[in-house]
Amino acid sequence: EVQLVESGGGLVQPGGSLRLSCAASGFTFSSYWMHWVRQGPGKGLVWVSRINGDGSRTTYADSVKGRFTISRDNAKNTLYLQMNSLRAEDTAVYYCARAGRIEVADNYYYNGMDVWGQGTTVTVSS
Amino acid sequence: DIVMTQSPDSLAVSLGERATINCKSSQSVLYSSNNENYLTWYQQKPGQPPKLLIYWASTRESGVPDRFSGSGSGTDFTLTISSLQAEDVAVYYCQQYYTTPYTFGQGTKLEIK
Repeated sequence: EVQLVESGGGLVQPGGSLRLSCAASGFTFSSYWMHWVRQGPGKGLVWVSRINGDGSRTTYADSVKGRFTISRDNAKNTLYLQMNSLRAEDTAVYYCARAGRIEVADNYYYNGMDVWGQGTTVTVSS
Repeated sequence: DIVMTQSPDSLAVSLGERATINCKSSQSVLYSSNNENYLTWYQQKPGQPPKLLIYWASTRESGVPDRFSGSGSGTDFTLTISSLQAEDVAVYYCQQYYTTPYTFGQGTKLEIK
């Protein structure tokens, strides 16, 4: 079964740090781009970051650039999000998601986020 | 950034009736390499993560009931549920997957009338 399981959330003071993990199983983890998406309390979905299969390419939302770092360990089938200098507005459920892809004539085309974890809650408060 | 705007914000439809949700992007999301619109629809039920329903604007994800359909191209898109079932109560989001940041619409809350 294809599965993503997040962990590492919790309560942290403003200015603090936290590292989220996302354990993947049931698919060839290293072959897929991966994303982090967050959802504030009662709010909508916000894309946070993405990373390619070998970890060499990363992209961030402006709101987290310079504070968050996405990474992965393909030997452990695990995705990470290191969050530093946390602010109250970072309070959210954080989801990891797989970048789905469709193979057409020997090319891969991306088709959205096809597998999601259950999420881990991060609360930034004093 | 591409701004995604959904309408309406909320919608109440009777069981068995049609539900229609609209999504407009601030610029085209048509990807020239495969001539597909990089527009996805997700369903999120309370306490659950989002679920991919539709990708490339009109292709149903495997396992999604055929009462769900997507249409549109360029900047204007629609999600239609042909005959509303009780289990379809959820918040629905569109998302552009054309360029980062991968922006979502604000969501449309669908309820039973």
